[in-house]
Amino acid sequence: EAGVAQSPRYKIIEKRQSVAFWCNPISGHATLYWYQQILGQGPKLLIQFQNNGVVDDSQLPKDRFSAERLKGVDSTLKIQPAKLEDSAVYLCASRQGGEETQYFGPGTRLLVL
Amino acid sequence: AQKVTQAQTEISVVEKEDVTLDCVYETRDTTYYLFWYKQPPSGELVFLIRRNSFDEQNEISGRYSWNFQKSTSSFNFTITASQVVDSAVYFCALSDYGSSNTGKLIFGQGTTLQVKP
Repeated sequence: EAGVAQSPRYKIIEKRQSVAFWCNPISGHATLYWYQQILGQGPKLLIQFQNNGVVDDSQLPKDRFSAERLKGVDSTLKIQPAKLEDSAVYLCASRQGGEETQYFGPGTRLLVL
Repeated sequence: AQKVTQAQTEISVVEKEDVTLDCVYETRDTTYYLFWYKQPPSGELVFLIRRNSFDEQNEISGRYSWNFQKSTSSFNFTITASQVVDSAVYFCALSDYGSSNTGKLIFGQGTTLQVKP
């Protein structure tokens, strides 16, 4: 079974530019999460989807971050405009209904200069 | 508020030594799950184990073992006869399946384990 896929793996941009990350969850997993992991810290939830609906986006900086999961499968996370403090690893995870474990993708490492 | 504390920032051991990674959690929920994940240099979080709040049995999987004690709100992880390949950052996490039922994970700060040959 294929795992969670993410792209790109690395991205370097300048501040005030925009960037987008893509995630393809494990097939059949209805719940999808985006986490932000700043260097030296544990991941922190940005947004959670159940199918194509948002369950929790309380920690998403909505003035610059947006996310969508239009068909309930793939998801895109966007930052516009990026700030220096957005430099982090962005992790996507998915979970099957009725199961408790989240499975993570390889992450996208973002560096904002 | 829910919280996970991993007091050990970095641990360094020599191969074949046993090592224990500590995890203390805080929650007011009666139903919750605890996890350990491994993050090697490649960056991906690899699931190791899950425990629910009603199951305090210790678990052993090969060289790995976990000690869950509700009385002290701890979920410690021991690696027996450590190997160089065990070098990674290890995260303890708590999920919310009580009040909000979202299943989001609350992570500790992580413990960096270095196993020297």
